[in-house]
Amino acid sequence: QVQLRQSGPGLVKPSQTLSLTCAISGDSVSSNSAAWNWIRQSPSRGLEWLGRTYYRSKWYSDYAVSMKGRITINPDTSKNQFSLQLNSVTREDTALFYCARYTSDWAFDYWGQGTLVTVSS
Amino acid sequence: QSVLTQPPSVSGAPGQRVTISCTGSSSNIGAGFGVHWYQRLPGTAPKLLIYGTNNRPSGVPDRFSGSRSGTSASLAITGLQAEDEADYYCQSYDSSLNGLAFGGGTKLTVL
Repeated sequence: QVQLRQSGPGLVKPSQTLSLTCAISGDSVSSNSAAWNWIRQSPSRGLEWLGRTYYRSKWYSDYAVSMKGRITINPDTSKNQFSLQLNSVTREDTALFYCARYTSDWAFDYWGQGTLVTVSS
Repeated sequence: QSVLTQPPSVSGAPGQRVTISCTGSSSNIGAGFGVHWYQRLPGTAPKLLIYGTNNRPSGVPDRFSGSRSGTSASLAITGLQAEDEADYYCQSYDSSLNGLAFGGGTKLTVL
């Protein structure tokens, strides 16, 4: 059974960097058939896909156009996890953040428990 | 404003059938990309309910079904139960976004 366990601070100051980690059990971040994603949900923006990282003979990461320039998603093979970094956050980035896996056609079959991140001074 | 449009709410009595629509465009559902549905119970992460238009993951009752036509898709729930009260979201890939699109979500109330 795949499990995704999120960790990271729930409060970030404006202009600083939001950092979250998603630890994987029951699968491998280096799987050739999975992609590892970050998604957030807020009242104003609804569910929003942020980006993904995946391994297909080499590592790839790609991001939602709205996030480009501020976001980095990286795998950590030594700990079997992946991370999200979102730079220069504003109050608009306050949201419930999820990590999630898909193996086929962008259908997210496993999700983390969610982390509420508030951007406030 | 979501790329995929869902009604904000639907309701039905126990035992009834309800449908939730998801209206897209030629850059997502109309382009033939897979449509998936999620159920989000209060305080929990979304759960994959339907994938690839009308496929149920293991453990999802056959009371849930999906369909698509043109630029729209639908989720049908038959034999409505109190435990079905939740938020439902559709999702598809969008070529103009070069990424994923979610619907705005529909709150199902079981009367």
